[in-house]
Amino acid sequence: AQSVTQLDSHVSVSEGTPVLLRCNYSSSYSPSLFWYVQHPNKGLQLLLKYTSAATLVKGINGFEAEFKKSETSFHLTKPSAHMSDAAEYFCVVSDFTSGTYKYIFGTGTRLKVLA
Amino acid sequence: GAVVSQHPSRVICKSGTSVKIECRSLDFQATTMFWYRQFPKQSLMLMATSNEGSKATYEQGVEKDKFLINHASLTLSTLTVTSAHPEDSSFYICSARDQGGMGFVSNQPQHFGDGTRLSIL
Repeated sequence: AQSVTQLDSHVSVSEGTPVLLRCNYSSSYSPSLFWYVQHPNKGLQLLLKYTSAATLVKGINGFEAEFKKSETSFHLTKPSAHMSDAAEYFCVVSDFTSGTYKYIFGTGTRLKVLA
Repeated sequence: GAVVSQHPSRVICKSGTSVKIECRSLDFQATTMFWYRQFPKQSLMLMATSNEGSKATYEQGVEKDKFLINHASLTLSTLTVTSAHPEDSSFYICSARDQGGMGFVSNQPQHFGDGTRLSIL
């Protein structure tokens, strides 16, 4: 079975500084990986996805992530944090189980952006 | 594109009431939809996979008689919490996978509704 581990439950950055949210995966084959953001009392919004086409994936709102097979990592980055980036972020892997592809979620990282 | 609409956004009702939550894919067809439950400050827990025209597949520990799922069309799935009790209070989120997307199914992302906050008094 596949899994993802989000290494930080909370991350705080100052507005305008870089963001790094870490995610490691465990997979026996080439995984499909996703990053989602969740604002309070909202559903999840897709930021980006990795599907083996390119190791550096660009997403919405200036976010990007790099797939590193040697490190089994898929860290999410943004060059400059904005106040509106404060939210919960989930790293997700798609896993085939019980006849369909289901999501395996990380435990989430809460990003706090300081003025 | 890929918008999923979930209604209602919030429900407050008395214990013993049954509550129906709708999940609609507005601009794509979804043969597969998913229902999740999220506890405060926690990740999402998959409750069941909803397949159009067939019975839902429930995760271990989820009572199928308590959480009734219907997926009668390619754009609509419903979750009914029957005889709800305070312990059923939670944030319920649906998602839908766009079956018309390019590439492998494993690569097709799920698109999420905005969730339903259910409070049982």
